[in-house]
Amino acid sequence: QQQVKQSPQSLIVQKGGISIINCAYENTAFDYFPWYQQFPGKGPALLIAIRPDVSEKKEGRFTISFNKSAKQFSLHIMDSQPGDSATYFCAASIGNTGNQFYFGTGTSLTVIP
Amino acid sequence: DAGVTQSPTHLIKTRGQQVTLRCSPKSGHDTVSWYQQALGQGPQFIFQYYEEEERQRGNFPDRFSGHQFPNYSSELNVNALLLGDSALYLCASTRPGRGVYEQYFGPGTRLTVT
Repeated sequence: QQQVKQSPQSLIVQKGGISIINCAYENTAFDYFPWYQQFPGKGPALLIAIRPDVSEKKEGRFTISFNKSAKQFSLHIMDSQPGDSATYFCAASIGNTGNQFYFGTGTSLTVIP
Repeated sequence: DAGVTQSPTHLIKTRGQQVTLRCSPKSGHDTVSWYQQALGQGPQFIFQYYEEEERQRGNFPDRFSGHQFPNYSSELNVNALLLGDSALYLCASTRPGRGVYEQYFGPGTRLTVT
């Protein structure tokens, strides 16, 4: 059973456009929602994270929008650049322990120059 | 400051064999977690080590075991390898008290079981 559902599986965006990746979860006990960026041959790198007590968090061109009632959260990449082309994973966890930590299936983003 | 390092980079094993993967955490980090990432999938949590003890474990069989050393480095051992164990194995570390928050991942070890 997939604890965190991610969509779309792949995304193609023009340079300068907005990339939007969505995730949904069922377990209301989740209290930490990070996004990771992974380039080929590399491990995932933490991009930005949010707690359920806020509805939005912005860091540079990256924004997480969080809808607690809908149990959904999304990553928005503004002014997308070719260097943003990578696989993005959402994740969710209960507290800071490990065994209740779940990743989505990933979104392959391609930004066309 | 070196990040999380893993060795070897790639490994090819035969079904039924045993394998040991190694991880050195980022400087100042004391907690190490291991993940399995199948092709085209997100990482799945295997277990977490803290103070040389297995603190948490995901849904993986006992064939998967680990160890953490006093210098916080860690090993992942997999016995009786199956074809389905072929994956990228990732190690992640965090600072004291941060658990899975702000995890730093290594580049992974690509294991192929034939």
